[in-house]
Amino acid sequence: AQSVSQHNHHVILSEAASLELGCNYSYGGTVNLFWYVQYPGQHLQLLLKYFSGDPLVKGIKGFEAEFIKSKFSFNLRKPSVQWSDTAEYFCAVNADDKIIFGKGTRLHILP
Amino acid sequence: DTGVSQDPRHKITKRGQNVTFRCDPISEHNRLYWYRQTLGQGPEFLTYFQNEAQLEKSRLLSDRFSAERPKGSFSTLEIQRTEQGDSAMYLCASSTRASRDTGELFFGEGSRLTVL
Repeated sequence: AQSVSQHNHHVILSEAASLELGCNYSYGGTVNLFWYVQYPGQHLQLLLKYFSGDPLVKGIKGFEAEFIKSKFSFNLRKPSVQWSDTAEYFCAVNADDKIIFGKGTRLHILP
Repeated sequence: DTGVSQDPRHKITKRGQNVTFRCDPISEHNRLYWYRQTLGQGPEFLTYFQNEAQLEKSRLLSDRFSAERPKGSFSTLEIQRTEQGDSAMYLCASSTRASRDTGELFFGEGSRLTVL
């Protein structure tokens, strides 16, 4: 069965620190991979996606993610976080027309 | 507002009652998804439609749950004989035929169900 595993449930960082959130997926076919973000009080929205081509994808607000096929990973990174990045982040995979989500990582940025 | 809208935003009900949620997708989107999210968990897939056809239902969707999309536009999710374990946020999302291939979903703000 398809699944997505996020390594960290809760991350606390200070502003300007670097961020890396881990994500591994389990799916045997061609994958589309995503990171969605949910800011406090708002709905889920797409942060970035990998469909094909360059495995390093750039998203909104300075986020990027790298698809490493051999490791079944799609880690999210940002070199310098801001207080406004406080949110919950979900890794997801498109498997057989369904989007399967991980359990999420709650990121808290200290000002 | 041209985004996905859900109604009601919050429903409190007693165990055993029936509830119905409505989702209005973005108008040109032909795919509509329902997810359930509980505290500390990511969205769990329940079912999805392409136009009016229900293409897949998760095993999470017991016989007490039914979803419809009668004219390929809005959708309803009904839960009969609610149980306390049904308490969750019910999320609706839609996508276009083009974004189907990339899987970009546009989410509504959700309907929160509390079963007492």
